[in-house]
Amino acid sequence: DQQVKQNSPSLSVQEGRISILNCDYTNSMFDYFLWYKKYPAEGPTFLISISSIKDKNEDGRFTVFLNKSAKHLSLHIVPSQPGDSAVYFCAASVTGDDKIIFGKGTRLHILP
Amino acid sequence: ETGVTQSPTHLIKTRGQQVTLRCSSQSGHNTVSWYQQALGQGPQFIFQYYREEENGRGNFPPRFSGLQFPNYSSELNVNALELDDSALYLCASSLAGGRGQYFGPGTRLTVT
Repeated sequence: DQQVKQNSPSLSVQEGRISILNCDYTNSMFDYFLWYKKYPAEGPTFLISISSIKDKNEDGRFTVFLNKSAKHLSLHIVPSQPGDSAVYFCAASVTGDDKIIFGKGTRLHILP
Repeated sequence: ETGVTQSPTHLIKTRGQQVTLRCSSQSGHNTVSWYQQALGQGPQFIFQYYREEENGRGNFPPRFSGLQFPNYSSELNVNALELDDSALYLCASSLAGGRGQYFGPGTRLTVT
């Protein structure tokens, strides 16, 4: 029973263009959402997060959008750079419950 | 500031054996969480330790156990290893009540 779903296993985007990674969730109790980036042989690195009281959070080239009614969030990377090639995990948590529930990840390839 | 470290980097065990994985938390962090990442999956929460006590557990059998020491470092022990235990085991440290979890590079366990 996957509570956090990333339905695209991989995505290829031209360098300089926008990368959009999508994520859906089923548990309406989730009130905090995170994106992690993972390179091979390294642990996941925190990228950006958003609380359920917001619908957008921006940090430099990275923007996360949250649509609570659709139980959907997305990560936008603009402009995409070669160093953005990695696996991106969408994750969610509930206040008071410290565990984080991860999706299966989307592998992003930035093409030259 | 020292990040999260894990040892060993990788190891190979035989079915039925026992294994101990180690984690040193980031300086100043008092909470440690362990995750299992099987091939092609996102990290799955095993359990969390705070003040040397288990503070939440995911859907893993009792043969997965852990310890946290006064210096906040932690161990993950797995008894009676099964082939399906082959995975990347990730440790993450955080401050109690904090939203950010910082991951180590992981230990790759192969059970043959």
